[in-house]
Amino acid sequence: QKEVEQDPGPLSVPEGAIVSLNCTYSNSAFQYFMWYRQYSRKGPELLMYTYSSGNKEDGRFTAQVDKSSKYISLFIRDSQPSDSATYLCATPLGGGSNYKLTFGKGTLLTVNP
Amino acid sequence: GAVVSQHPSWVICKSGTSVKIECRSLDFQATTMFWYRQFPKQSLMLMATSNEGSKATYEQGVEKDKFLINHASLTLSTLTVTSAHPEDSSFYICSAIPGGGRATEQFFGPGTRLTVL
Repeated sequence: QKEVEQDPGPLSVPEGAIVSLNCTYSNSAFQYFMWYRQYSRKGPELLMYTYSSGNKEDGRFTAQVDKSSKYISLFIRDSQPSDSATYLCATPLGGGSNYKLTFGKGTLLTVNP
Repeated sequence: GAVVSQHPSWVICKSGTSVKIECRSLDFQATTMFWYRQFPKQSLMLMATSNEGSKATYEQGVEKDKFLINHASLTLSTLTVTSAHPEDSSFYICSAIPGGGRATEQFFGPGTRLTVL
C-alpha cells in the first residue's frame, strides 16, 4: 500500500462551485500534510499545510485532516478558472518534519467559466 | 517567496548522449536539495537527496551511475543523465530547503522536460 493515495480524477466543475479534493494515508504516525498546486508543465507550489488534525483556512482554501479515518481534504470555495491545475497531497516520510516527501498521484481539476 | 530556478526548461537529445540539468536557489542558501522525476499523469517520484559538500543519497531503484548529482555550492545542484535513453524521457523537478528549514518549507523549481530521441 502506498503511503498516500489520491484519486487522480479528472474533476470538472463550473465556476463558483465548491471543490473537495481528498487523499488517504496509511501510517497513523504521519503528522504533517501538505497540499501543492501544479500547473501544466510547471513545478508544484505549496498551497498550505496542516499539522496533526483539524482545519486550516487560507482565503478560499481549507485543509482538513481526520486522523481517525486517515483522511485529508482540501476544499476550494468559489472556484475560479485560474484554480484549474493538478492538486497533490503530500506528507513527510517518517511522520515528523522530515525533509523527504511522498506525494499522492494528484487530482486534475478543471474549473469551467 | 523563495525562488528556485532550473536550466534548461526543456531539452531534446539523442540516445546515448549525456544531459546536465541545473537547479539554483536564487535568494537563499540551500543545504539540501531534492531531485524528482514525474512521468505524464503520474506523481512526483523522489530520485535522490542532494546535500552540499557530500555525496547524494539515492532512492531505491535509482541508478546512481546513471543519474549523477553534484551539489557543489549552497545555491547550485546539478543532475547529469548519462547515456540517456528514450525511457529516461520525463519531467525532472528539483526542490530546495533553506538552511535549517523543514519539509514544509521546500520550494520547487519549474521543472525540466527531457526528451530523448
